[in-house]
Amino acid sequence: AQKVTQAQTEISVVEKEDVTLDCVYETRDTTYYLFWYKQPPSGELVFLIRRNSFDEQNEISGRYSWNFQKSTSSFNFTITASQVVDSAVYFCALSEARNAGNMLTFGGGTRLMVKP
Amino acid sequence: EAGVAQSPRYKIIEKRQSVAFWCNPISGHATLYWYQQILGQGPKLLIQFQNNGVVDDSQLPKDRFSAERLKGVDSTLKIQPAKLEDSAVYLCASSDPHGIRNTEAFFGQGTRLTVV
Repeated sequence: AQKVTQAQTEISVVEKEDVTLDCVYETRDTTYYLFWYKQPPSGELVFLIRRNSFDEQNEISGRYSWNFQKSTSSFNFTITASQVVDSAVYFCALSEARNAGNMLTFGGGTRLMVKP
Repeated sequence: EAGVAQSPRYKIIEKRQSVAFWCNPISGHATLYWYQQILGQGPKLLIQFQNNGVVDDSQLPKDRFSAERLKGVDSTLKIQPAKLEDSAVYLCASSDPHGIRNTEAFFGQGTRLTVV
């Protein structure tokens, strides 16, 4: 069965610091997708990125970057020069390709607090 | 494009009462999901529909929870009777299984249920 672990329940940083959110996953499938979602106080889940299991290339989008390492089953998320608006709960999630559809298994989330 | 719409946003009921939540997915999205998010945890899938058929309801407590998507568009999730442990945010999401972003689920703002 699939599982996603986010060991950091809460992180507090000061604005402009870099911060990395860890994600470790378990799956028996060779084809799967990994996601990061942001959940601001308003409650909706905002999609940030999707990675498929065959693409280990790291990705950068503005201040966000993602490090996917199959060897360690990790998909870590780094925010560079954090801002107060980055304060939210961040979820890592996994979807196995063999599932009919895109059922997501979420980690427990990491609450990021960025202080001015 | 319009996002996933859910109503009501908040609901407070007494235990043993019944409650229903409504979801209108993004137009054209054949796949619809209901997730339960207990405070401090990641969302957990309750049920997944493909058009008006159930794909996965293995984690739905069927003794008290029911869901339907009669015409393959809107969906309702019902709890009858509610228990204290049902207090959570109920998130609806939809995805287009045939689109280029077919593995991305779009989430609504959720319904926050408090059972007292």
